[in-house]
Amino acid sequence: QSALTQPPSASGSPGQSVTISCTGTSSDVGSYNYVSWYQQHPGKAPKLMIYEVSKRPSGVPDRFSGTKSGNTASLTVSGLQAEDEADYYCSSYAGSNNLIFGGGTKLTVL
Amino acid sequence: QVQLQESGPGLVKASETLSLTCSVSGGSISSYYWNWIRQPPGKGLEWIGHIYHSGSTNYNPSLKSRVTISVDTSKNQFSLKLSSVTAADTALYYCARRIDWLGHIDSWGQGTLVTVSS
Repeated sequence: QSALTQPPSASGSPGQSVTISCTGTSSDVGSYNYVSWYQQHPGKAPKLMIYEVSKRPSGVPDRFSGTKSGNTASLTVSGLQAEDEADYYCSSYAGSNNLIFGGGTKLTVL
Repeated sequence: QVQLQESGPGLVKASETLSLTCSVSGGSISSYYWNWIRQPPGKGLEWIGHIYHSGSTNYNPSLKSRVTISVDTSKNQFSLKLSSVTAADTALYYCARRIDWLGHIDSWGQGTLVTVSS
């Protein structure tokens, strides 16, 4: 199984929206609605931001939203804030009880 | 609020076996799926495998031949062994909890850095 494909970087100014893509295959993202997104600040453990494509855990701002179309999932951060600057990773169930991650996207708030 | 804490040697010699333990507090290990995930310095996340409290395991196919994950429910701990390590296994190793075998990780340990030396 290969890693999901994410752009290495993304950026936006405060208040703007930015979308990060996560492309897999018909064996993972395309087949299951079990895509998750994690935010990781430097030196910290990842934090769950979105699960099951578009659900937000309690405490995650509604500025974070997720969607999926075909083999590609997306995370949109609206109303960018300085604290959103971090690395973002997607993950997907990949069948046969396996989990797969994306390579990560570094989000910069300009 | 469940808490996870990794422990084990921070330095392992090449060709030897890496061994880590994750201690779970604030909740019972006798439920959920318990995972190991690693992150090489400056790189992305890689799922290593998981174990259910019953002892049922699943491993990343790319690591399967070298990985063993076990659980000790009496101690509320689970463990990772990775054999025949090389420099490529140098990474921050996280233990983590998943609700089920399909879904998301909802709790992470702080991670422990393991360096493989030659």
